[in-house]
Amino acid sequence: GQNIDQPTEMTATEGAIVQINCTYQTSGFNGLFWYQQHAGEAPTFLSYNVLDGLEEKGRFSSFLSRSKGYSYLLLKELQMKDSASYLCAVKDSNYQLIWGAGTKLIIKP
Amino acid sequence: GAVVSQHPSWVICKSGTSVKIECRSLDFQATTMFWYRQFPKQSLMLMATSNEGSKATYEQGVEKDKFLINHASLTLSTLTVTSAHPEDSSFYICSAGTPDRNTEAFFGQGTRLTVV
Repeated sequence: GQNIDQPTEMTATEGAIVQINCTYQTSGFNGLFWYQQHAGEAPTFLSYNVLDGLEEKGRFSSFLSRSKGYSYLLLKELQMKDSASYLCAVKDSNYQLIWGAGTKLIIKP
Repeated sequence: GAVVSQHPSWVICKSGTSVKIECRSLDFQATTMFWYRQFPKQSLMLMATSNEGSKATYEQGVEKDKFLINHASLTLSTLTVTSAHPEDSSFYICSAGTPDRNTEAFFGQGTRLTVV
């Protein structure tokens, strides 16, 4: 079956750095996405990786290793507004998005 | 990025009534639209995939007669929850995209449905 794993919850301190990991097993691979979702709102797109390596976008970076079925989202200079759920999703061979359960990130002052 | 508009953002209805949720792609033609349901503290669960001009493809366990999906044009898809029950109360989200590998899904704002 298809499976995406990410930690359920993480806690970090304002101003610090946090890394959220995601491992996946899917039938085919056509890219990995990271989304941010605040409670009661729809997800918003953060990043897309289809080749191995690091993609940097401001305070957020995303890394992919296809051979290991592994990705991480790195958040730097954490702000209170970064408290949210972070969803990892993979497009399979049919270009369908397979979603992880999300990681709830709690930022403490 | 592209804009997807979902309406209404929230609705309260009585048990047994039907509710229609609209999803519009405002600045692009969406050949495919996806309908998701999300229960509290859970991830998005795909309910169905709709392609313009054809019948929707429902995920296993989703009743097609209860969740009616219509994708009559390249900019509009609707989800109708028929004979709603309290257990149908959830957050419903649509997304739209084109089937090329570099397009992320563009999400509507979501609809909070409460059945009383």
